[in-house]
Amino acid sequence: DTEVTQTPKHLVMGMTNKKSLKCEQHMGHRAMYWYKQKAKKPPELMFVYSYEKLSINESVPSRFSPECPNSSLLNLHLHALQPEDSALYLCASSQRGSPSSGELFFGEGSRLTVL
Amino acid sequence: KNEVEQSPQNLTAQEGEFITINCSYSVGISALHWLQQHPGGGIVSLFMLSSGKKKHGRLIATINIQEKHSSLHITASHPRDSAVYICAVPEGGSEKLVFGKGTKLTVNP
Repeated sequence: DTEVTQTPKHLVMGMTNKKSLKCEQHMGHRAMYWYKQKAKKPPELMFVYSYEKLSINESVPSRFSPECPNSSLLNLHLHALQPEDSALYLCASSQRGSPSSGELFFGEGSRLTVL
Repeated sequence: KNEVEQSPQNLTAQEGEFITINCSYSVGISALHWLQQHPGGGIVSLFMLSSGKKKHGRLIATINIQEKHSSLHITASHPRDSAVYICAVPEGGSEKLVFGKGTKLTVNP
């Protein structure tokens, strides 16, 4: 199984809603990532979890809250988002935390629209 | 910080043509990633390479560490190859990747 599975594929939410994005991998990878991608732009790193501990937070606003319940799962909790947060949210995993040491596997993404 | 430049930004080809996409970076690295993204879709890792050349089907990636340059070649291009191709390199010894701006490839039948 070489897949990273993201749910939901599409999400529409209001600015007062609370929702979550989920990401799952069963490749035994110990590093998991959240990226945000706006149209026609490269992905921007948001968070990195390495061995289930948050190792990088790229100064992401607190309305985005990551969680890594175990080595296979990564959640992104969303609360009080703004319309400018509408984007494709991509999850990725790699065997270890360094992109020098292993291939990155990406999910299909969750397309978020904030009204 | 590593700077990554890709060229061309946009590329249109006829089916069957040989395609080359280039990537240059400013700081020495231990590995480089080539990624593919279809419109509206997720990202697929095509190659991770640290030296020489790798081949997978009709795709070939090469890297010249001394010249800080990599190329992605597609032989016998097909309309399903139409996608954005992104080059990415690690930033220092961190867990971050620095992405190029991507090359949008359109292959016409």
